[in-house]
Amino acid sequence: EVQLVESGGGLVQPGGSLRLSCAASGFTFSNYAMNWVRQAPGKGLEWVSGISGSGITTYYADSVKGRFTISRDNSKNTLYLQMHSLRAEDTALYYCAKVRIPSGWSIFDYWGRGTLVTVSS
Amino acid sequence: DIQMTQSPSTLSASVGDRVTITCRASQSINSWLAWYQQKPGKAPKLLIYKASNLESGVPSRFSGSGSGTEFTLTISSLQPDDFATYYCQQSNSYSPTFGRGTKVEIK
Repeated sequence: EVQLVESGGGLVQPGGSLRLSCAASGFTFSNYAMNWVRQAPGKGLEWVSGISGSGITTYYADSVKGRFTISRDNSKNTLYLQMHSLRAEDTALYYCAKVRIPSGWSIFDYWGRGTLVTVSS
Repeated sequence: DIQMTQSPSTLSASVGDRVTITCRASQSINSWLAWYQQKPGKAPKLLIYKASNLESGVPSRFSGSGSGTEFTLTISSLQPDDFATYYCQQSNSYSPTFGRGTKVEIK
């Protein structure tokens, strides 16, 4: 059974940093691209970043480019999102999401439960 | 970025109704369109991918159609479990974007 478990969220002051993790199990992690998608309270879904199975290729939404870094450790079956220079508008529930097929990029068939990031003074 | 416009934003319907949600892309995305269902406090669930392909385990009352810039999600006979918010998402680029969602409410 595929499982994705996010952690690392919390309350942080504007300008601060946070690192999110997503522990994956139930599939061959290194074969699949992984993504982060966020949802501000009461709002819709926003794609944040994606990374290829090898970890070589990464993409970012314009809203986080230069501030967030996605990475993965295939030996630990874990996805990360390092977040710097956090802003109030980054407040959201952050989901990690698995792509549907090994050659795919942005169709997400499994999602974690999310970890909440709150940016406030 | 490709913009995705969903309509309506809210839909009131009764059990047994046929429901249609529309999604329009700002440029052609061929058939690279997915639909997700999200219930309060839960993660999104993939329903349809590549415009018309039903994800495994999803009831056959859900169907998708369209290509290019115009797409629809249809629920043939609305069930109590279907009251939720539905999102379309383009998967044509390395920067996927979602529609703003359609909330299906009980009439």
